[in-house]
Amino acid sequence: QSVLTQPPSASGTPGQRVTISCSGSNSNIGRNFVYWYQQLPGTAPKVLIYKNNQRPSGVPDRFSGSKSGTSASLAISVLRSEDEADYYCAAWDDSLSGVVFGGGTKLFVL
Amino acid sequence: EVHLLESGGGLVRPGGSLRLSCAASGFTFTSYAMSWVRQAPGKGLEWVSTITDTGDNTFYADSVKGRFTISRDNSQNTLYLQMNSLRAEDTAVYYCAPGGPDYWGQGTLVTVSS
Repeated sequence: QSVLTQPPSASGTPGQRVTISCSGSNSNIGRNFVYWYQQLPGTAPKVLIYKNNQRPSGVPDRFSGSKSGTSASLAISVLRSEDEADYYCAAWDDSLSGVVFGGGTKLFVL
Repeated sequence: EVHLLESGGGLVRPGGSLRLSCAASGFTFTSYAMSWVRQAPGKGLEWVSTITDTGDNTFYADSVKGRFTISRDNSQNTLYLQMNSLRAEDTAVYYCAPGGPDYWGQGTLVTVSS
């Protein structure tokens, strides 16, 4: 059971907009930055969003992050086949004194 | 460019020990807290341990507390994880990661099996 709650799967067709949610609490998302990672099969995670809504250089602007209260979202606009991957959210948790992750969302591009 | 090179993984018997290392470059190592995160085969990401930028404070997941020790050498830009009393459930790819985490290495595989 992960501290942050994500839907186990999501799907969309090429060109669609997809949103993945991440629900937490006051001790993690409510007080700290949220990060989003993309993991393609057999590879290491890659940072998509840091500090709630910042995109590292090289990450397409199709990816965006937002946070409100104790929840966060990752939006992927204009979905592409190469976006099919696992997506994880993460945040520091003040009560646990550690990084907490969501269980991951497997995104299918139909 | 940020580069994180984990090493030290391998096959070890239950109850055994391993020491992982992570050589960091391309960012100001001394400005970042550093963490170890692991991923068991077919599973999600699991935080293991974090050490503050100065090394003064360390934090551990309950699953490894008392068995694992995180440390760092800021003069060598290197992060370590000493793993003792290893169990089958410790089998995973171990990643070192600075900050949020802000970056990820390629990981090193630890397999605990008899």
